[in-house]
Amino acid sequence: GNSVTQMEGPVTLSEEAFLTINCTYTATGYPSLFWYVQYPGEGLQLLLKATKADDKGSNKGFEATYRKETTSFHLEKGSVQVSDSAVYFCALSFMNRDDKIIFGKGTRLHILP
Amino acid sequence: DTGVSQDPRHKITKRGQNVTFRCDPISEHNRLYWYRQTLGQGPEFLTYFQNEAQLEKSRLLSDRFSAERPKGSFSTLEIQRTEQGDSAMYLCASSEGHPATNEKLFFGSGTQLSVL
Repeated sequence: GNSVTQMEGPVTLSEEAFLTINCTYTATGYPSLFWYVQYPGEGLQLLLKATKADDKGSNKGFEATYRKETTSFHLEKGSVQVSDSAVYFCALSFMNRDDKIIFGKGTRLHILP
Repeated sequence: DTGVSQDPRHKITKRGQNVTFRCDPISEHNRLYWYRQTLGQGPEFLTYFQNEAQLEKSRLLSDRFSAERPKGSFSTLEIQRTEQGDSAMYLCASSEGHPATNEKLFFGSGTQLSVL
């Protein structure tokens, strides 16, 4: 079936460090890919997305590139801030099939000042 | 626009009792989703409405669970004869169009259910 696998957390980094959170997917076809973020005490919100191979999604200094050949959508940020501390979820969805989004288990990120 | 709101924020109940949660989506959104999230896991899809029609239900949704969206606006999720395994955060989300295109999925803050 369709699924998303992301690196286990927690990930702890110092402020201004480089961030990578790995995400790979298994899917029959070519889904749209997403990163959602859940800040403490808040609901999930879309961080960025990519709808086809080689697309790069970006927002708030975060980037992820849709890599069909490696079925990956790794999240990166060049210099993290304390305010980036949150849980990050990789997810996929198919435009012309069912309407649900399938989420990974989430990766908790702690940024130390 | 106040976003997606869910009520109550927290619910503690005894095993065997019935509970009902409410979700008010963003007003112009015709799609409404229910997800369940347990500690350390990502949200798991439960069911989905387009307007008042319930178009898909997950196998996770046993016959003790029922969801409605009677007028295509707010939705309710009822769990009958609750079990301890039902303890989880129940999330509601809405979108104006298909989430795989350019339509964002907006989530509420969830209802945390604890079954004692």
